[in-house]
Amino acid sequence: QSVLTQSPSVSAAPGQKVAISCSGSSSNIGNNYVSWYQQLPGTAPKLLIYDNNKRPSGIPDRFSGSKSGTSATLGITGLQTGDEADYYCGTWDSSLSAYVFGTGTKVTVL
Amino acid sequence: QVQLQESGPGLVKPSETLSLTCAVSGYSISSGYYWGWIRQPPGKGLECIGSIHHSGSTDYNPSLKSRVTISVDTSKNQFSLKLSSVTAADTAVYYCARQSGTRVFAIWGQGTMVTVSS
Repeated sequence: QSVLTQSPSVSAAPGQKVAISCSGSSSNIGNNYVSWYQQLPGTAPKLLIYDNNKRPSGIPDRFSGSKSGTSATLGITGLQTGDEADYYCGTWDSSLSAYVFGTGTKVTVL
Repeated sequence: QVQLQESGPGLVKPSETLSLTCAVSGYSISSGYYWGWIRQPPGKGLECIGSIHHSGSTDYNPSLKSRVTISVDTSKNQFSLKLSSVTAADTAVYYCARQSGTRVFAIWGQGTMVTVSS
């Protein structure tokens, strides 16, 4: 059972925007950096956002990250069919001394 | 360009030990970073198994700690996972990955499916 909670699914039409939330506690999100990963069907996860709001080279600025207290949010604007995937948040948990992932959110483009 | 490639048996019998290796190319493991293992049961989410620093220090998921060993072989530029006393619940796709900076999994292997069955 993950210590980071995400809503199971979110959907929107092409061109619209979605926000995916990740809820944790002071031992993880509250005091550590958050990352976001995109997993397209049948592929390995890919890093989308790191250190709360930074994008690796090659990730379009349609993807953004933010953090407030013990929650984090991934935003996707200008939704495309190619964005249909599972999205996971992740961070270090200082109490567990382990890296933890969120429960995952499936994004569907209507 | 850094690449990671998992290898190992695709089928393991219950109660036996699962052994996987991750070969790293394009970067020398001994130069830095943490190197980790993540797994994903069919249809389920990601679970971090643990990581090893290039110096040899490790951290493991508390729920798996009693059964897990992660080691590094710098001469072969690879790192390995051993998970003992496996059950059907350990059936999953196993990924290896490099952890950068703030323990971010920045580079991933393609993953390898391991089934636990007699």
